[in-house]
Amino acid sequence: EIVLTQSPGTLSLSPGEGATLSCRASQSVSSNYLAWYQQKPGQAPRLLIHDAFNRATGIPDRFSGSGSGTDFTLTISRLEPEDFAVYYCQQYGSSPRMYTFGQGTKLEIK
Amino acid sequence: EVQLVESGGGLVQPGGSLRLSCAASGFTFSTYWMSWVRQAPGKGLEWVANIKQDGGEKYYVDSVKGRFTISRDNAKNSLDLQMSSLRAEDTAVYYCARDLHVTTVTTFDYWGQGTLVTVSS
Repeated sequence: EIVLTQSPGTLSLSPGEGATLSCRASQSVSSNYLAWYQQKPGQAPRLLIHDAFNRATGIPDRFSGSGSGTDFTLTISRLEPEDFAVYYCQQYGSSPRMYTFGQGTKLEIK
Repeated sequence: EVQLVESGGGLVQPGGSLRLSCAASGFTFSTYWMSWVRQAPGKGLEWVANIKQDGGEKYYVDSVKGRFTISRDNAKNSLDLQMSSLRAEDTAVYYCARDLHVTTVTTFDYWGQGTLVTVSS
């Protein structure tokens, strides 16, 4: 089973600043099957990035994903007030078709 | 518009059973893998189970194997999760989620609003 470790646990930034969130896998993620989600209190998660760097439909271009193998990054170029939330990375496998999530990074207003 | 609406949550005693349902609409349900994902209060996300389009493949996280059963009824556009031998650690909001793509290995693009399951005496 692949374990995903996200860092930092909490990130305190101001609107307009850039954010860099990290996700490290315990072993290589095949075919870059890595996604990023945003979750706000009381809401379901929202898909931001799939397959490591592909933005989901309707996601602003200030969100970008990068990385491969065991190290992945979500970058938010200019933080908007609505971006402060918890972010999760997730890996998905093909054989068997199972999923694991990281423990999350809380992005809070400084 | 794609909609996923969960129901069936509630309070159940340890060792008890509960059946969750997810009503799907706005897309061709029978062509998508579907999953259940849960989130314990104040905790992170945990994938629970998924099921292939025709129900022929099912996978579970180790912690629920032998206790939970995922099923679907494509004629009724419905996804179910039968939960038995429930434990306190099963307490969570349970979400149903749809795969992003029909054919390739992928993640989830649509989620329901969730239904809360509380296991307590």
